[in-house]
Amino acid sequence: NAGVTQTPKFRVLKTGQSMTLLCAQDMNHEYMYWYRQDPGMGLRLIHYSVGEGTTAKGEVPDGYNVSRLKKQNFLLGLESAAPSQTSVYFCASRQQAIDRYTFGSGTRLTVV
Amino acid sequence: RKEVEQDPGPFNVPEGATVAFNCTYSNSASQSFFWYRQDCRKEPKLLMSVYSSGNEDGRFTAQLNRASQYISLLIRDSKLSDSATYLCVVNRFTGGGNKLTFGTGTQLKVEL
Repeated sequence: NAGVTQTPKFRVLKTGQSMTLLCAQDMNHEYMYWYRQDPGMGLRLIHYSVGEGTTAKGEVPDGYNVSRLKKQNFLLGLESAAPSQTSVYFCASRQQAIDRYTFGSGTRLTVV
Repeated sequence: RKEVEQDPGPFNVPEGATVAFNCTYSNSASQSFFWYRQDCRKEPKLLMSVYSSGNEDGRFTAQLNRASQYISLLIRDSKLSDSATYLCVVNRFTGGGNKLTFGTGTQLKVEL
């Protein structure tokens, strides 16, 4: 039982390049989230989804897009990477009406 | 003012010591509260939920004071393996669903 799996684990991008981070969960959770974690700051919500085919903006959505075409997958896209997007990205999921969040192991992204 | 505030530490304590962390939150509409543990370069993992009546899980005791808007975590008989960053997390319901706010974390180092 893998829980929440994020790929890739590490990536270095050049400014202006694009990439997609994949989050996959095998727990049949309705809700999925993308967070970023930066030094000296708490985790901040980028985008989230309350079900297949639905997405919504979080606290810091600019520069990112998301899609949830399948219930188990939540994709985070960077169309034109900027150095300010250097961060650790965590995906999380939870069941509806249950406050327990399960996090993936993170993706360390560096934009140079 | 940050919505959730924690002392970043580090708290350096000898093995076997008792250590306590506090966290304050600013939004009185907050409804549920948690402590998460985050090991270096790993994902956050739920340590325990926090209730007004106080709750205990082995060596860990969590307490919520709604009147003063603070949350505490007490660790008794510290172990080397307790070394980690402890995140205070506050949840409130909004029109868009749950909103989790993470503190920046308190670092604990347990030493021989």
